[in-house]
Amino acid sequence: NAGVTQTPKFQVLKTGQSMTLQCAQDMNHNSMYWYRQDPGMGLRLIYYSASEGTTDKGEVPNGYNVSRLNKREFSLRLESAAPSQTSVYFCASRVTVTQETQYFGPGTRLLVL
Amino acid sequence: AQKITQTQPGMFVQEKEAVTLDCTYDTSDQSYGLFWYKQPSSGEMIFLIYQGSYDEQNATEGRYSLNFQKARKSANLVISASQLGDSAMYFCPFGGTSYGKLTFGQGTILTVHP
Repeated sequence: NAGVTQTPKFQVLKTGQSMTLQCAQDMNHNSMYWYRQDPGMGLRLIYYSASEGTTDKGEVPNGYNVSRLNKREFSLRLESAAPSQTSVYFCASRVTVTQETQYFGPGTRLLVL
Repeated sequence: AQKITQTQPGMFVQEKEAVTLDCTYDTSDQSYGLFWYKQPSSGEMIFLIYQGSYDEQNATEGRYSLNFQKARKSANLVISASQLGDSAMYFCPFGGTSYGKLTFGQGTILTVHP
């Protein structure tokens, strides 16, 4: 029973490099989310997917793109990484808009030099 | 826009004592939910408890209870009989009606002393 999984766990990038963070859930959830957490702060929503085939911007979408590949997978792409994107990235999922609780993955620590 | 305020950057409690972590929110939504998550030093986000805005009774989950005062827009977490393993950062995100997006505050660091 894996729940929400994220890869990689840790990544170091140079400014301008690109990468994709992967997220998968095995709970048959409809909605998926990407958040970032900067040191000493709460999480902020980057993008979300209310259901398969839909994506929408959250609070801090600039510099990111997402793909809802299928119901299980929701990836986050940094096209040209910047030091300001150094953060911990969390993926989360929940069943539907009427089922409240979001379940989080373990996070990906990203360092951009 | 919703706003969450956790006014206690850090709290200290003796093992086996109860502790209350404060959380207030600001919203114009009529239907919403309040959550509490625990984030230990290992970094994962652990769901603790949920309160819906129309729930008439305060939520409880084991040692966790939520003191929900809708008129005051507060949703404080009460942890009874604190344990050393309760030492962590605690967040009380707000979930509105818009596709379940959560809005987080700054969090409260709880330290439990033996």
